Amino acid sequence: DGGITQSPKYLFRKEGQNVTLSCEQNLNHDAMYWYRQDPGQGLRLIYYSQIVNDFQKGDIAEGYSVSREKKESFPLTVTSAQKNPTAFYLCASSAGIRYGYTFGSGTRLTVV
Amino acid sequence: SQQGEEDPQALSIQEGENATMNCSYKTSINNLQWYRQNSGRGLVHLILIRSNEREKHSGRLRVTLDTSKKSSSLLITASRAADTASYFCATLGGTDKLIFGTGTRLQVFP
Repeated sequence: DGGITQSPKYLFRKEGQNVTLSCEQNLNHDAMYWYRQDPGQGLRLIYYSQIVNDFQKGDIAEGYSVSREKKESFPLTVTSAQKNPTAFYLCASSAGIRYGYTFGSGTRLTVV
Repeated sequence: SQQGEEDPQALSIQEGENATMNCSYKTSINNLQWYRQNSGRGLVHLILIRSNEREKHSGRLRVTLDTSKKSSSLLITASRAADTASYFCATLGGTDKLIFGTGTRLQVFP
């Protein structure tokens, strides 16, 4: 079955550490997205990529980095520069503007 | 930045009743989409309505769009306990990225 796989489901980070969240899709979608969700604030766009080897900053890119070396994969690194990383992170992909997004099941990141 | 604002923020109804959620947005759009999120899970796409459409149906869902008022509504008819979730509207403007609203939390009591 086609879909998006995010891993891990839960992640704990110590202060000062970088961590990488995985997002893999087998839907053959060109576009992929990372959103952050905090309680009561809806989803905010971190980074997005419309084609391999290209990506753009979203509204809250500071403290995050991404890569898009393969069509299927769009990993997100939460760096130590992100001062408040505790949140629920959602990855999505899209076949184009006429279609809805397909979301993964999310990664819950907690700073300990 | 949030494009859409949902109203109400929370809604509690009994099974069998209809649930109506509203969404307002600020800028011109290509299309508007509604998503559902069960607690702690990813979002599921429900329905997409284009800017030149006024109404769309999918099963028990009915979506309307009024571009002159920059608003949309989602109606769920004959609600079930399984409809309990958060519902988000999202708008697609000139770029290929969705901007989400803050969501409506729907509780359907058996």
